[in-house]
Amino acid sequence: GAGVSQSPSNKVTEKGKDVELRCDPISGHTALYWYRQSLGQGLEFLIYFQGNSAPDKSGLPSDRFSAERTGGSVSTLTIQRTQQEDSAVYLCASSLDVWMNTGELFFGEGSRLTVL
Amino acid sequence: GQQVMQIPQYQHVQEGEDFTTYCNSSTTLSNIQWYKQRPGGHPVFLIQLVKSGEVKKQKRLTFQFGEAKKNSSLHITATQTTDVGTYFCAAATYYNTDKLIFGTGTRLQVFP
Repeated sequence: GAGVSQSPSNKVTEKGKDVELRCDPISGHTALYWYRQSLGQGLEFLIYFQGNSAPDKSGLPSDRFSAERTGGSVSTLTIQRTQQEDSAVYLCASSLDVWMNTGELFFGEGSRLTVL
Repeated sequence: GQQVMQIPQYQHVQEGEDFTTYCNSSTTLSNIQWYKQRPGGHPVFLIQLVKSGEVKKQKRLTFQFGEAKKNSSLHITATQTTDVGTYFCAAATYYNTDKLIFGTGTRLQVFP
């Protein structure tokens, strides 16, 4: 696609429900990143994929969070049993290769999650 | 864990004044990038610095990477209202180059 696409753009859910956030990276980009941004705050690193594998999952806040990437393309971030502190904008970014080699990360518009 | 601190947290300037944000790390960084996020928008890449002591310019923006590769700065000359937004540095250490960590950000407000 022309850019990184994320869905849904907005999600309101009740505490305890599960949510799935989707990221469709730029075609041909092998590296994919998930970040979380709370209101007025910086970007918190969650997880990084090179192809379908995630070398570093240490950024995931708890075992309620999981992510997968299939076919080296679309990635899904799943939050189980959501809590109010999970409310944030979840940003996905992709790059042609590992960021050090290619530089620029291209970000999607984000998925705004509100947990009531 | 690795932290990348930025100062100041906020900066309000009159249009035409200069602005500088500083990025500091306790550990040696491999590369460093800078991003700009407009209000309500997503981060947009500005530049990447690789070499110790490197200086790069983009029109009114000047980026520096410290000699020890532990700090970096972004300087904007003669700010304009279009410069409004939050500026983030992003970096990784040599022992974990996969993990691109974003700084805490500096929010710039420019008054006409």
